[in-house]
Amino acid sequence: GAGVSQSPSNKVTEKGKDVELRCDPISGHTALYWYRQSLGQGLEFLIYFQGNSAPDKSGLPSDRFSAERTGGSVSTLTIQRTQQEDSAVYLCASSTGAGDYGYTFGSGTRLTVV
Amino acid sequence: AQSVTQPDIHITVSEGASLELRCNYSYGATPYLFWYVQSPGQGLQLLLKYFSGDTLVQGIKGFEAEFKRSQSSFNLRKPSVHWSDAAEYFCAVGNSGGYQKVTFGTGTKLQVIP
Repeated sequence: GAGVSQSPSNKVTEKGKDVELRCDPISGHTALYWYRQSLGQGLEFLIYFQGNSAPDKSGLPSDRFSAERTGGSVSTLTIQRTQQEDSAVYLCASSTGAGDYGYTFGSGTRLTVV
Repeated sequence: AQSVTQPDIHITVSEGASLELRCNYSYGATPYLFWYVQSPGQGLQLLLKYFSGDTLVQGIKGFEAEFKRSQSSFNLRKPSVHWSDAAEYFCAVGNSGGYQKVTFGTGTKLQVIP
């Protein structure tokens, strides 16, 4: 598509429930990133996918967080047993991966855990 | 590890006045530097980037930034601010080797008063 698409745009969930956030990158972009933006915080790196390489999961805050990327395209970020501190905006970005750092961000998913 | 500091959380300027947003980075080698803007409810948009060459970089919307290695700074400037520039601005640093991991600052929120 023309841009990075994220769904849902807003998600309210009860504490302890699992949630899945979806990111559809720009067609042809081999690199995909997930960031988390909490109130008053910068963007916190979560995970990075590049082509068929093993993802860099070094930013995932706990084992409740996981992500996968199927077919080198769509990515799903899963948060299990959500906690209130998971409330944030989750941003996805993609790029060509060709060294130009041409990140294109989606509009994000605002997650609220109640 | 790379890091970015944006010392000003919130800045208010009058429309038509000049603007300078501060950014200091920490990185062992020559960094890749970026400024992004985030308008309310929007994703992040790249304003400009520095990889090498001329240390004064021109970006979109009339913004420019100057890389000063001796000061580890990459301040964003605009000669005359418009009301539509009210947004949050993020400075970011990327590693110049390996894959494209970008670390963001905590952001500076710009308010423009008429």
